[in-house]
Amino acid sequence: SQKIEQNSEALNIQEGKTATLTCNYTNYSPAYLQWYRQDPGRGPVFLLLIRENEKEKRKERLKVTFDTTLKQSLFHITASQPADSATYLCALASGGSYIPTFGRGTSLIVHP
Amino acid sequence: DAEITQSPRHKITETGRQVTLACHQTWNHNNMFWYRQDLGHGLRLIHYSYGVQDTNKGEVSDGYSVSRSNTEDLPLTLESAASSQTSVYFCASSSNGREETQYFGPGTRLLVL
Repeated sequence: SQKIEQNSEALNIQEGKTATLTCNYTNYSPAYLQWYRQDPGRGPVFLLLIRENEKEKRKERLKVTFDTTLKQSLFHITASQPADSATYLCALASGGSYIPTFGRGTSLIVHP
Repeated sequence: DAEITQSPRHKITETGRQVTLACHQTWNHNNMFWYRQDLGHGLRLIHYSYGVQDTNKGEVSDGYSVSRSNTEDLPLTLESAASSQTSVYFCASSSNGREETQYFGPGTRLLVL
């Protein structure tokens, strides 16, 4: 069956360090992968999209990599700040429906 | 500014009652979605619509229904609320393309007693 795995344990890092979050998937042929941020009590907010034929995408302090051989995406936040503390969701969409399926998310806590 | 709103934001109801959650978007998006979010499960798709008069079942559609009579609204109805439907419900919308970003509402927290 199709599965999207994100680390269920919270990631705790110090301010200024690079945070790296992982999204692994099985039994998917994704057309693209998205990352969303979700703050407590609020809906997810889109951050980045990376297509199957792209290796890396950047936006300001954010970087996403996509390895379809390893079936993995890494999400990096450089020079992290306490305001980056949130839950980060990855979502995959296959070529059939293009409706994204979401992972459970990983909580990031950046300590000052 | 365009937005997507949900109402009510919080709802308490009793088992067996019919409940309708409202979703309204001013993005003029064709696609609208309903998800539920539970601890340990993440976001799961309930129903979705690609346009007026179009509705489709998602992964967890049993006990839920939707109707799409205009572009802006996709109300979600729980026919006979069950305690297992206690959850946070999110509505989302996206434009017509294949790689479109989903814009989410603020969520409705539903408690079924």
